[in-house]
Order: sequence, then structure tokens, then C-alpha cells
Amino acid sequence: NAGVTQTPKFRILKIGQSMTLQCTQDMNHNYMYWYRQDPGMGLKLIYYSVGAGITDKGEVPNGYNVSRSTTEDFPLRLELAAPSQTSVYFCASSYGVPGELFFGEGSRLTVL
Amino acid sequence: AQSVSQHNHHVILSEAASLELGCNYSYGGTVNLFWYVQYPGQHLQLLLKYFSGDPLVKGIKGFEAEFIKSKFSFNLRKPSVQWSDTAEYFCAVGRSGGFKTIFGAGTRLFVKA
Repeated sequence: NAGVTQTPKFRILKIGQSMTLQCTQDMNHNYMYWYRQDPGMGLKLIYYSVGAGITDKGEVPNGYNVSRSTTEDFPLRLELAAPSQTSVYFCASSYGVPGELFFGEGSRLTVL
Repeated sequence: AQSVSQHNHHVILSEAASLELGCNYSYGGTVNLFWYVQYPGQHLQLLLKYFSGDPLVKGIKGFEAEFIKSKFSFNLRKPSVQWSDTAEYFCAVGRSGGFKTIFGAGTRLFVKA
């Protein structure tokens, strides 16, 4: 049972490049989330989705985009990468209980 | 705005010492409360959760937490820590009927062997 799978685990980008962080879950969860984790700042919600075709902004959406074409997949796209986007990104899913999340292993992104 | 405050950012303890990590939230409605743990190099895992009922909840690895509604608090405790408890601990709140989870800034615990 894979749970929540994120790829890649590590990536280095140059300023201005774009990339997509992939996230897929095999638990048939309707709710999916992208968080970024910065030292001493906890986790900040970037985007979330309550089901296929439905997405909404979280606390820090600027510079990111998402899509949800299927229940399983929730990719996060970074357009025009900036050093401020250097962070660890976590994808999570939920079966609907507010707050109870299942996390992927994270993707460490460095923008130079 | 809804927020979660964790009182300590860094805690250093010796093995067998008792642990209490503070967490307060600012939301007056019905909430679900959680503690997540992140071991070095790993993803976040659920440690324990509170939805309703007995305000003292027990989680994995000997951890427990007490919900005090009047204080908007959900403190994490463990009577005797082990070196393997070295990790970062996050308090989190999910609003009943909502979709978002709000996390505290985290507390880094280091347990000396």
C-alpha cells in the first residue's frame, strides 16, 4: 500500500525555470493538499482540492499552480522559480476528517 | 484568523525526563486537534488526535495529550522520553466542517542519551 507518493525527492532549479512536483495517492481520498515547510515556520498551505476538478488557494499560493484532473493525482507547478521558493514541499491527502492528513515523503527544492 | 501557537521552539531533555509541549489555538468553534511528529529526514506522521469525548487522549509510543477547552489548549506529554523521541512535533487544528488544517510552527525536541 503506497499511500501518498511524491516525486522528485530532490531538485535544484535555476531562477526562472519551471517544474512540476508530482503527487499521487492510492487511498481514494477526495481531499488533497500541498504544504511547504520552512525552518521555524511550520507548514503553510499552498493549495488544496476537495475533489477532482476543484481546487482552491491556501495561505501562500503566489508563484504556484495546481490541477486535479483525477482523484489520485494533484500536481503542483512552479512557474518562474525564485529563491523564495526554496523549501520542502509536502503533499497530503485526507478522507474527509478535518485535520487528519496522510503525508508524502516530501520534495526538497532548491532554487539558485 | 485561526492560528496555532506552540510555546517552545527547541527543547533539550535527557533520557527518562518528562516531556510537556504546549499548544494553544485560536478558534471558538468545534475543532479537531492533532499532534504530528516528524523524525529526522522523514515525513509527518500522526501521533495522536482528539475529536470529542475524553479530553485525555493516548497516542502511539507512550504519548498522551490533554484537551482543555477553557484554555484552548492541547498539550502533549510523555512521562519518560527516549533518545528515539528526537524529532520535530507539530500541533495542528482542523475546523469541524472545514477543509484546511492549520499547523503550529513546530517544536524541535532533542533527547540526550
